[in-house]
Amino acid sequence: AQKVTQTQTSISVMEKTTVTMDCVYETQDSSYFLFWYKQTASGEIVFLIRQDSYKKENATVGHYSLNFQKPKSSIGLIITATQIEDSAVYFCAMREGGTGGYKVVFGSGTRLLVSP
Amino acid sequence: EAAVTQSPRNKVAVTGGKVTLSCNQTNNHNNMYWYRQDTGHGLRLIHYSYGAGSTEKGDIPDGYKASRPSQENFSLILELATPSQTSVYFCASGTGGYEQYFGPGTRLTVL
Repeated sequence: AQKVTQTQTSISVMEKTTVTMDCVYETQDSSYFLFWYKQTASGEIVFLIRQDSYKKENATVGHYSLNFQKPKSSIGLIITATQIEDSAVYFCAMREGGTGGYKVVFGSGTRLLVSP
Repeated sequence: EAAVTQSPRNKVAVTGGKVTLSCNQTNNHNNMYWYRQDTGHGLRLIHYSYGAGSTEKGDIPDGYKASRPSQENFSLILELATPSQTSVYFCASGTGGYEQYFGPGTRLTVL
């Protein structure tokens, strides 16, 4: 069964620095998709970035990028030049690529606090 | 406008009562999902749907039913609500099994 683990419960950084959030996953599939979502203080959940397992290049969107280490089953989220508004809870998620369905499993989340 | 809406946003129910949470999406996505969020557990999948008329069990379906009468609407039904079902419930829509778009959530308290 698929599983996603985020061991960092919370991280505190200073504004304008770079932060990396860790995520490891377990899957039997050779094809899968990895996602990061952000949940703001208001409770809103938004999609940030996706990595397809068959792609070797790390995905990048704005000041979010991924560190995909397939042999380690690891997908880290890197936020560069952090801003106060990046303070939120970040969830890692995975969907297996088989035809059995589109179930997505989420990690327990990492709370990021960005201070001025 | 918000593409995924949920109603009600807050609900207080009594133990043993029936609760229906509604979700509507204007994204024209085939897939819709119901999750619950509890401290320390992240988001856990209750039920999902591939399209109108279909429902599938997620990882924690016990005590919940789902209904997808149309492309736009997906309901979560608690026939006999229990205090353990007190949680925040999120609906989401998506296409092709890729990124999902979430509603604002419903806070349910079962007394």
